[in-house]
Amino acid sequence: DAGVIQSPRHEVTEMGQEVTLRCKPISGHNSLFWYRQTMMRGLELLIYFNNNVPIDDSGMPEDRFSAKMPNASFSTLKIQPSEPRDSAVYFCASSRGRGNTEAFFGQGTRLTVV
Amino acid sequence: DQQVKQNSPSLSVQEGRISILNCDYTNSMFDYFLWYKKYPAEGPTFLISISSIKDKNEDGRFTVFLNKSAKHLSLHIVPSQPGDSAVYFCAASERGGTSYGKLTFGQGTILTVHP
Repeated sequence: DAGVIQSPRHEVTEMGQEVTLRCKPISGHNSLFWYRQTMMRGLELLIYFNNNVPIDDSGMPEDRFSAKMPNASFSTLKIQPSEPRDSAVYFCASSRGRGNTEAFFGQGTRLTVV
Repeated sequence: DQQVKQNSPSLSVQEGRISILNCDYTNSMFDYFLWYKKYPAEGPTFLISISSIKDKNEDGRFTVFLNKSAKHLSLHIVPSQPGDSAVYFCAASERGGTSYGKLTFGQGTILTVHP
């Protein structure tokens, strides 16, 4: 199994531009999570899905952030418009879901908004 | 509201000695706890876990202790090795209910093991 795959690994964009981060979870995993890593808050949960349905998006910082999971093998996190304070490392993780909470992480996308 | 807290941003230890990383939580519904290890430019990887029905779980050099009454857990690494130098994240979850595997993480502790 290739594990959780995220793309791109690095993204540099100008303020105001739209940014789309992509994630392919591990096959057979039912839950998918988007986290953001910052120095102050560590790994902060933004949103998570179970069986492609958004369960909790209370961690999404603003309406500029949106996430979709159109099928079991793909998810996107979009920021529109992007701002310099969005600069961070964004991780996608997947797990089997309820009763089995060991999550497997992708390598992350380092986003820099200038 | 930080439900999982790691109050030590960093820890420096000599090779061969014990490393103790601490974690506190506030949500009494948490019943499963995990430690993740993260190297630079990589995603976090699972290290060890413990259920709330236990107070200790051991895996080789790594032992996790849970004190439910104090809402505190710790990770012991003995003996510490330079390759253990990484960021360690504590995480907590509710295995049942409607959490669907949601993990709440602490801020992380940077461990440096000196040769």
